[in-house]
Amino acid sequence: KAGVTQTPRYLIKTRGQQVTLSCSPISGHRSVSWYQQTPGQGLQFLFEYFSETQRNKGNFPGRFSGRQFSNSRSEMNVSTLELGDSALYLCASSLGPQGQYEQYFGPGTRLTVT
Amino acid sequence: DQQVKQNSPSLSVQEGRISILNCDYTNSMFDYFLWYKKYPAEGPTFLISISSIKDKNEDGRFTVFLNKSAKHLSLHIVPSQPGDSAVYFCAASWGTGANNLFFGTGTRLTVIP
Repeated sequence: KAGVTQTPRYLIKTRGQQVTLSCSPISGHRSVSWYQQTPGQGLQFLFEYFSETQRNKGNFPGRFSGRQFSNSRSEMNVSTLELGDSALYLCASSLGPQGQYEQYFGPGTRLTVT
Repeated sequence: DQQVKQNSPSLSVQEGRISILNCDYTNSMFDYFLWYKKYPAEGPTFLISISSIKDKNEDGRFTVFLNKSAKHLSLHIVPSQPGDSAVYFCAASWGTGANNLFFGTGTRLTVIP
C-alpha cells in the first residue's frame, strides 16, 4: 500500500506570494491533518479534514487555509507569505478521526520564504 | 505555550548502551502518549505508545515509562544501534481529533558505533 505523498517536496517563494501544497493520503484513509514543523517549535497542528469538512483548526492566522476533495486528497494554501512561514509542512492521514488512531506522515514539503 | 516539552535537543550514546529520551507535559487531561521517530527527508513514523492507565509499555528494544504524578514520560532504547540515530518526538493527546495531539520539539539521538 502506497504511503502518504506530498508535493512538491521543496519550494522557494518570496514574501507576499502565495503557495499551495498538496497531500495524497493512504488509500482508504479519510482524515488528513496538516502540521508545521519549525526548529524549536516541534510540530504544530494546522488543521484536520475529514470527509471534505474541516473538523479542527489550530492557532494559525487566516492566511493558512486548506481543503479536502472527495477522493480525500488535501491541499493547504498560504497567502501573503512571510519569512516566518519557512518551515517543513507535514501532512498525516488516518483511517478516521474517532478514537486513538495512528497517523501516518508524509515526507513533508520544505518551504523557504525569501 | 508548549504543553509537551523535550528539554534535551540532542543526545549521544555509544552503540550497545541504553538511550533514555525524556519528555514532560503540563496538561493533566492528556491520556495517551506516543513516540515518533523521524529520519531526515522523511515524515515521522509511529514508534510506541502508552495509555495513561499503564505505567510501562514494551515493544522489543523500546520501552516507554509514564509517571503521571510527575507528568513525565521517557523512552528507553536498549541496546542502542546506529540505525536508531534520528529525531524522536514525543506527543500527547486526549479525546479525539488531531488538534488534541500535541508534539514536543524533538530530541536528536546519535548512536556512535
